[in-house]
Amino acid sequence: ETGVTQSPTHLIKTRGQQVTLRCSSQSGHNTVSWYQQALGQGPQFIFQYYREEENGRGNFPPRFSGLQFPNYSSELNVNALELDDSALYLCASSPALAGGRNEQFFGPGTRLTVL
Amino acid sequence: GENVEQHPSTLSVQEGDSAVIKCTYSDSASNYFPWYKQELGKRPQLIIDIRSNVGEKKDQRIAVTLNKTAKHFSLHITETQPEDSAVYFCAAGPHNQGGKLIFGQGTELSVKP
Repeated sequence: ETGVTQSPTHLIKTRGQQVTLRCSSQSGHNTVSWYQQALGQGPQFIFQYYREEENGRGNFPPRFSGLQFPNYSSELNVNALELDDSALYLCASSPALAGGRNEQFFGPGTRLTVL
Repeated sequence: GENVEQHPSTLSVQEGDSAVIKCTYSDSASNYFPWYKQELGKRPQLIIDIRSNVGEKKDQRIAVTLNKTAKHFSLHITETQPEDSAVYFCAAGPHNQGGKLIFGQGTELSVKP
């Protein structure tokens, strides 16, 4: 069984650019959530994908968008990058068991720096 | 809006002492309360969780208590060790698949040998 993986590890972009971050869920998990963690803060929920559909969204603007693929991997896209988007982006996957469970297991994160 | 408050923000204890971290939540619909440990530069790791149908759960040196009426839950670490030093986050959310977790601001625990 493999854990949650994310790529790239680090990324440096300039204001106005676009970025795509990738996440592979843990084996057997069909739900992926994305979080933004600013320095010294707790993770903030961006959105969640379940069976390739967005299934809940936090207080983030539309320039944050995502996808989930048939193999349950996921992408986070951010357009028109702003300085405040600099953060650690974490994805978390949840198991697909009957009755539903919300235990979320995190990947190592992608550190995004916007200059 | 939905909110989770966590206290204290920093906690320093001597090795062998106990540590307690407290959280309160605002959303009455929350019924799942996980705790994560995040070491510097690493991913948050789920260490224990509790659902609203129980008031307490224990796993070796770690225990979590929940008071749903007061919307409080707490993490208790006994016999602390230097390797317990990390940032701890509480979170609240729905039990069923599909719900977002609202995280507290974190507690930086330092265990001094």
